[in-house]
Amino acid sequence: SQQGEEDPQALSIQEGENATMNCSYKTSINNLQWYRQNSGRGLVHLILIRSNEREKHSGRLRVTLDTSKKSSSLLITASRAADTASYFCATGGIQGAQKLVFGQGTRLTINP
Amino acid sequence: ETGVTQTPRHLVMGMTNKKSLKCEQHLGHNAMYWYKQSAKKPLELMFVYNFKEQTENNSVPSRFSPECPNSSHLFLHLHTLQPEDSALYLCASSSLGGGDDNEQFFGPGTRLTVL
Repeated sequence: SQQGEEDPQALSIQEGENATMNCSYKTSINNLQWYRQNSGRGLVHLILIRSNEREKHSGRLRVTLDTSKKSSSLLITASRAADTASYFCATGGIQGAQKLVFGQGTRLTINP
Repeated sequence: ETGVTQTPRHLVMGMTNKKSLKCEQHLGHNAMYWYKQSAKKPLELMFVYNFKEQTENNSVPSRFSPECPNSSHLFLHLHTLQPEDSALYLCASSSLGGGDDNEQFFGPGTRLTVL
């Protein structure tokens, strides 16, 4: 299984601080994606990083990918209360890019 | 608003009922997906449709029956469900392009409770 595993399972920080979440996976991938889910809602795509990329930025988001360690991290800088959500990594495999495999997610709480 | 809508948003049904979940995407995509999200478990892919054709059935019990009449609509027909089928059912869509990127756009989900 190439299931992603997020670490930590839950993270609580103060508004304005940076939040870092990690994802590990088991097999070769084509790309790795991060999604956000507000409580009981659908997932929203945040950012995609391809297997030949090492770092990518989007606004306050920074994603890194280390294929040698089969791991990725998502950094949210200057956190806001609205960032409170669950964050999931999903891996797109080389066998079939449509079969995204999701991890169990990190529950992020931003305290005002 | 992601351009993917799902109805109903909440559904309570008995084990002998028959109901259907509906998904519609307004993004011009040609691939659609059903996922199941249970408490304390990773999101599980159930079905994949490309250009209205089913290309993936992830060992889903036959009490779940998908239907894709066109690239914009996807249904999940439910019958004789079990209480353990209670979950959030998410629909997603994506565009099949020349590359392997597969950003998926999700609907808000249907919260299903089976009594």
